[in-house]
Amino acid sequence: DIQMTQSPSPLSASVGDRVTISCRASQSIRKYLNWYQQKPGKAPKSLIYGASSLQSGVPSRFSGSGSGTDFTLTISSLQPEDFATYYCQQSYITPPFTFGPGTKVEIK
Amino acid sequence: QVQLVESGGGLVKPGGSLRLSCAVSGFTFSDSYMSWIRQAPGKGLEWVSHISSIGLTISYADSVKGRFTISRDNSKKSLSLQMNSLRAEDTAVYYCARTMGFFDYWGQGTLVTVSS
Repeated sequence: DIQMTQSPSPLSASVGDRVTISCRASQSIRKYLNWYQQKPGKAPKSLIYGASSLQSGVPSRFSGSGSGTDFTLTISSLQPEDFATYYCQQSYITPPFTFGPGTKVEIK
Repeated sequence: QVQLVESGGGLVKPGGSLRLSCAVSGFTFSDSYMSWIRQAPGKGLEWVSHISSIGLTISYADSVKGRFTISRDNSKKSLSLQMNSLRAEDTAVYYCARTMGFFDYWGQGTLVTVSS
């Protein structure tokens, strides 16, 4: 099975900061990498699929990049509503559909 | 408007059974692969099972294989998860989600607690 890791966790940041979250796969997954945002007590929300495609309705301050084994989720200017936990997930070799352990973005 | 509504969660003793349901509206259910994903308290996301649009392809996580059964009724736009031989480690919020390789639509989740 493909293993996913994320760093850092947690991540402390301030409103207005540029934030970068990393995700690494245990083997190449080409561009089959997806990102989710989850707020406490809520279901996850799809943000980015295919490494860099923004889900409909997601603000443009979110962007994704990478291919192969190394990927990045960037928030260009952190907003108060962006404090949440972010998960990456691979969809290259399935099943299983594997998630990273999550990165919690906290208020500095 | 897309809606996925899970039901059927609750408290069950170890070794017991529970059946979860997910009612779907707002997209073409019969064309969609569907999954169950769970999240133990304070933990990350774990994919549990998925089923193809007409139910011919089904897969399970190793942690639930042989104990859980996924099914669907396209006429009722409904997804189910039969959970048998439940263990304490199955305690989690269970989400249903449409599966496009990624999970684009999610329900609000239903809590399953396995405890004596």
